[in-house]
Amino acid sequence: SQKIEQNSEALNIQEGKTATLTCNYTNYSPAYLQWYRQDPGRGPVFLLLIRENEKEKRKERLKVTFDTTLKQSLFHITASQPADSATYLCALPYNQGGKLIFGQGTELSVKP
Amino acid sequence: DVKVTQSSRYLVKRTGEKVFLECVQDMDHENMFWYRQDPGLGLRLIYFSYDVKMKEKGDIPEGYSVSREKKERFSLILESASTNQTSMYLCASSRPLLSYNEQFFGPGTRLTVL
Repeated sequence: SQKIEQNSEALNIQEGKTATLTCNYTNYSPAYLQWYRQDPGRGPVFLLLIRENEKEKRKERLKVTFDTTLKQSLFHITASQPADSATYLCALPYNQGGKLIFGQGTELSVKP
Repeated sequence: DVKVTQSSRYLVKRTGEKVFLECVQDMDHENMFWYRQDPGLGLRLIYFSYDVKMKEKGDIPEGYSVSREKKERFSLILESASTNQTSMYLCASSRPLLSYNEQFFGPGTRLTVL
């Protein structure tokens, strides 16, 4: 069955450094992959989408890569700030009709 | 500004009670979803609706039912609440196959069943 794995351990980094989060998947060839941000006690918020024919996508300080051979996406936040502290979820489409399967998320903590 | 609203942020119910969670979206989206989120288990799909009166079971539908009588409203019903249904419940909506199905989430309802 389809499976998504994200780093289960929290990622702690210093302000100004680059945070890199990983999303791996198996038994699957998705047409695209999405990343969401979730703050404590809130619903996830969509950040970025990358299609299977795109190797890299950028939005301000965010960069996402998508390697369909490795079945992996990397999510980078450059010049990280304490306000970037949150849980980040990757999501892939599955079956039909707009359903997504979500990874468990990686908690990022950026210390000043 | 697009919006998905949920009827309650926090809810406390007793075992055996019938519980209604309401979700409303103002984006004219066809798709609506109910998830529950538990520590270590992530987001799990309970039910999905792709049109008015149309519904499809997700990964964990047992103990739940849904109702979609109007396009903007999607209700989750716990027929007889149990303690293992204590969780964060999240509603979401999206357009089918447009915008590559970006989902818009509500703020969530934290339900405690005593």
